Amino acid sequence: DAGVTQSPTHLIKTRGQQVTLRCSPKSGHDTVSWYQQALGQGPQFIFQYYEEEERQRGNFPDRFSGHQFPNYSSELNVNALLLGDSALYLCASSSFRGLAGEETQYFGPGTRLLVL
Amino acid sequence: AQSVTQLGSHVSVSEGALVLLRCNYSSSVPPYLFWYVQYPNQGLQLLLKYTTGATLVKGINGFEAEFKKSETSFHLTKPSAHMSDAAEYFCAVRHPNDYKLSFGAGTTVTVRA
Repeated sequence: DAGVTQSPTHLIKTRGQQVTLRCSPKSGHDTVSWYQQALGQGPQFIFQYYEEEERQRGNFPDRFSGHQFPNYSSELNVNALLLGDSALYLCASSSFRGLAGEETQYFGPGTRLLVL
Repeated sequence: AQSVTQLGSHVSVSEGALVLLRCNYSSSVPPYLFWYVQYPNQGLQLLLKYTTGATLVKGINGFEAEFKKSETSFHLTKPSAHMSDAAEYFCAVRHPNDYKLSFGAGTTVTVRA
């Protein structure tokens, strides 16, 4: 049973460029969340996708956008990259069980983005 | 809004000694609580979680945590540290009517031989 997979594992971009990160959820999961983990900090919630729509968003600017495909995989897009966007980007998948459900998020290995 | 405080950014223990990692949360209602571990250059692995029911929760690798509502705490313990426990540990909370996880800043554990 494959877990959450992410690609690429590492990425180097320059300021102003755009980047797309990809995530495939764990088998049987239909919900994907994205987190940003800056060096030495805990992960920060970016947004969550369910049924191909953004269901909840954290305190991130509109430069951060996403998409979920019919097969539940997801992409995170970041436009106009800033030096401060350098971080580990984590994808987590879960199986939706209702708003107050006890779903657990399972994390992928992450994509490490360096912006120069 | 809920928040998480992990007391101590670094903890050093001897192999075989007790591991105690502290986590306190603030939330308007009892949240769901999680501990994750992150090994160097890897993603997060779920150690254990509390949602409802028994307040003492057992997880993988010999870890356990106890939910104490009166103290708003969810401390993680392991009776005997192993070298392989060296990692970063994150406490996280989720409000029952929310979708996101809110993480603490993490505690780095080093194990001395």
